[in-house]
Amino acid sequence: QSVLTQPPSVSGAPGQRVTISCTGSSSNIGAGYDVHWYQQLPGTAPKLLIYVNSNRPSGVPDRFSGSKSGTSASLAITGLQAEDEADYYCQSYDSSLSAWVFGGGTKLTVL
Amino acid sequence: QVQLQESGPGLVKPSQTLSLTCTVSGGSIRSGDYYWSWIRQPPGKGLEWIGYIYYSGSTYYNPSLKSRVTISVDTSKNQFSLKLSSVTAADTAVYYCARVTGDTAMVEYNWFDPWGQGTLVTVSS
Repeated sequence: QSVLTQPPSVSGAPGQRVTISCTGSSSNIGAGYDVHWYQQLPGTAPKLLIYVNSNRPSGVPDRFSGSKSGTSASLAITGLQAEDEADYYCQSYDSSLSAWVFGGGTKLTVL
Repeated sequence: QVQLQESGPGLVKPSQTLSLTCTVSGGSIRSGDYYWSWIRQPPGKGLEWIGYIYYSGSTYYNPSLKSRVTISVDTSKNQFSLKLSSVTAADTAVYYCARVTGDTAMVEYNWFDPWGQGTLVTVSS
């Protein structure tokens, strides 16, 4: 059971918008720690997608956006494309565990 | 741009020690601008942070693994290494090395970028 809770799967048709939630608690996201998101394409290493809640690294399309509120964070993907099919993970710090923690991951399927 | 590459045995026997090395290219570990970390992912499962090291040799480990983990650094070779002792089948995973990016004074707020390609380590007799 991950400290950060993500839906196991989400899906959408090409061109649609999907969101992936990341729910934490008062010892991690709710404590003010930043949330970061990673995209893991099949058979590859995770790649940074969003850092410090809502910032995109150079090269990441603006179709990807992040937000954070209270004890949760969200990743939104607009204009869904087939190449977006991947696993997505959120990451933050947990003060009770004294460790960086990840969400369990969400598999995005493009229909 | 910085690149990381993991290396080490792909098969380790139960109760033995897993040893991996991460070679950093395109940047110097000695710069002191970053921490360096290990993360693992069991087959078909999620990510687990293992620990990190600074160029000075200071370390911090995930409390859940602390008793079995040692991370070391060799700045002359621009490498850092992981040792995990008393391994069991539960330690079978793809092991990634990654750079910890962000403000080193507020490391809890940092993130991992870039990552190595990962190396699969299987624990089996």
